[in-house]
Amino acid sequence: AQTVTQSQPEMSVQEAETVTLSCTYDTSESDYYLFWYKQPPSRQMILVIRQEAYKQQNATENRFSVNFQKAAKSFSLKISDSQLGDAAMYFCAYRSAGVETSGSRLTFGEGTQLTVNP
Amino acid sequence: NAGVTQTPKFRILKIGQSMTLQCTQDMNHNYMYWYRQDPGMGLKLIYYSVGAGITDKGEVPNGYNVSRSTTEDFPLRLELAAPSQTSVYFCASSPLVPDTQYFGPGTRLTVL
Repeated sequence: AQTVTQSQPEMSVQEAETVTLSCTYDTSESDYYLFWYKQPPSRQMILVIRQEAYKQQNATENRFSVNFQKAAKSFSLKISDSQLGDAAMYFCAYRSAGVETSGSRLTFGEGTQLTVNP
Repeated sequence: NAGVTQTPKFRILKIGQSMTLQCTQDMNHNYMYWYRQDPGMGLKLIYYSVGAGITDKGEVPNGYNVSRSTTEDFPLRLELAAPSQTSVYFCASSPLVPDTQYFGPGTRLTVL
């Protein structure tokens, strides 16, 4: 079974600064997908960024980028030019590429609470 | 498009009561999922469906039932509610595997 670990329960960053959230995972599969979801106080789960394991190039979405290290099974999220609206719980998630694993369910880490200080 | 909608937003149940959490998606997605999120934790899969008429258990199915009679709807039934079922419940859908899952706004359930 796959596991996802987020070792930082809480992080804080000054507005306009850069912060990196860590995520490691354990799998025996070679083909899979990784995601970062943001959950603000409204509880809505919002997709931030996704990475296909077969792609060597790190995904980027505006101020959000990832550092995907497949051999190390590491998937960190970098937020540049942090804004007050970035304050939220961030979840790292893993999804198998096939349908055999519970319809390709998401396996979540326990989350990192990000605070952005003005 | 409304995306994934869930009702109700909040509910308080007494121990032993039953209820159905509704989930509807208007994106014609084949795959639908129910997750629960306990305080300070990530989401865990309760049940999932790969299409109308097909459902299967996830990690934590005990105390729940589902049905999928249409592509759009995927209700979650709680029978004999217990305090351990106090949680936030999320429904999600996905058009294809392994595409992105889209989440509803969640239902906060308290069992007293």
